[in-house]
Amino acid sequence: ETGVTQTPRHLVMGMTNKKSLKCEQHLGHNAMYWYKQSAKKPLELMFVYNFKEQTENNSVPSRFSPECPNSSHLFLHLHTLQPEDSALYLCASSLGTSYTDTQYFGPGTRLTVL
Amino acid sequence: TQLLEQSPQFLSIQEGENLTVYCNSSSVFSSLQWYRQEPGEGPVLLVTVVTGGEVKKLKRLTFQFGDARKDSSLHITAAQPGDTGLYLCAGGGISGGYNKLIFGAGTRLAVHP
Repeated sequence: ETGVTQTPRHLVMGMTNKKSLKCEQHLGHNAMYWYKQSAKKPLELMFVYNFKEQTENNSVPSRFSPECPNSSHLFLHLHTLQPEDSALYLCASSLGTSYTDTQYFGPGTRLTVL
Repeated sequence: TQLLEQSPQFLSIQEGENLTVYCNSSSVFSSLQWYRQEPGEGPVLLVTVVTGGEVKKLKRLTFQFGDARKDSSLHITAAQPGDTGLYLCAGGGISGGYNKLIFGAGTRLAVHP
């Protein structure tokens, strides 16, 4: 238990569906991250939020839409996804954004797009 | 583009054996982190090294950061089945005002009783 929870843990969706992934951190951190982990690529950073403000969008397609209503919650809204978007989506948080601030990861949401 | 190459990709050994995993890059990093990820879970941080030449020990695990801060190694002594998992290295550095981690593809370790 790292203090970062993600729901749902598993999600199967069709290409025309709209769904959302949720992440919550109970660590009092100020920065939150979305990562994608697929079978054939290293873990890839998608988005970074610091004090609720988006500070990084790593060239992510617009079919992925993040939302950070407060420092404890992070959402990833999904629509019109492609089968190649199937992957493990990991959320992480850190106290700050210094290179000495450890990122704590949640367990991930395993997404399958049919 | 910063890249981290990990080797080997897969490692299958017997309990009690020693092993070393390598993480190499042509880029300099401010920090180097090692994570272990078990099936169905997110990566869990094992160690962070920040000084060139630094060596850290965590029980049977020894981590080393290269003098030039471009490479790192993880050595496990007398491996146990509980060490089984995916080992990830990640190079850190400030980019765009935050600590951007670049991950290697990982080494999948299986330790058999």
